[in-house]
Amino acid sequence: DIQMTQSPSTLSASVGDRVTITCRASQSINTWLAWYQKKPGKAPKLLIHKASSLETGVPSRFSGSGSGTEFSLTISSLQPDDFATYYCQQYESYFPLSFGGGTKVEIK
Amino acid sequence: QLQLQESGPGLVKPSETLSLTCTVSGGSISSSSYYWGWIRQPPGQGLEWIGHIYYTGKTYYNPSLKSRLTISVDTSNNQFSLKLSSVTAPDTAVYYCVRHGYLWPEGWKFDSWGQGTLVTVSS
Repeated sequence: DIQMTQSPSTLSASVGDRVTITCRASQSINTWLAWYQKKPGKAPKLLIHKASSLETGVPSRFSGSGSGTEFSLTISSLQPDDFATYYCQQYESYFPLSFGGGTKVEIK
Repeated sequence: QLQLQESGPGLVKPSETLSLTCTVSGGSISSSSYYWGWIRQPPGQGLEWIGHIYYTGKTYYNPSLKSRLTISVDTSNNQFSLKLSSVTAPDTAVYYCVRHGYLWPEGWKFDSWGQGTLVTVSS
């Protein structure tokens, strides 16, 4: 199994801040990594796939980077709508597909 | 616009079988371009991939659930279903039906989600 570890688990920030979330894979996943945004009571929303490709309609303040085992999601200027929990997901191996534990971005 | 909608009992007794159905609208489940699957999130915890199915019936299951899991497809009604047997309290979760692309690995990210349904395992 490929284990996905996110850090931090909680991040306190203010509107306008630049925030970065890290996701580490237990073995190389090339760039087969997706990022999702999850709000309470709502379904997760795909933000980024293949580590750095922005999904259609996702604001450009979101960006992803990394390859191999180290990845990051950056929000360049945090907006009120961005307070949510973010999950990474690897899809290099399907035995099983796996998610990180999540990073909650909360208001400072 | 594609929509996925979960349906099924919100309460299941321990040792019984959890059964959910996902109805797909705005698109065909028989499309050769997609797999259809399930993901769950226990209260206060992260996301767990359960498994998925192609319209031909080909399945992929999470090994941790495989012995209790059946995912099936009903192309005539544009639906797919989940059955999880011998449930216990840790199976309590919000269950989401999802879609991902056919090609591996590039397509295996989840681009469409249902709104989710809470299933509680309790006597």
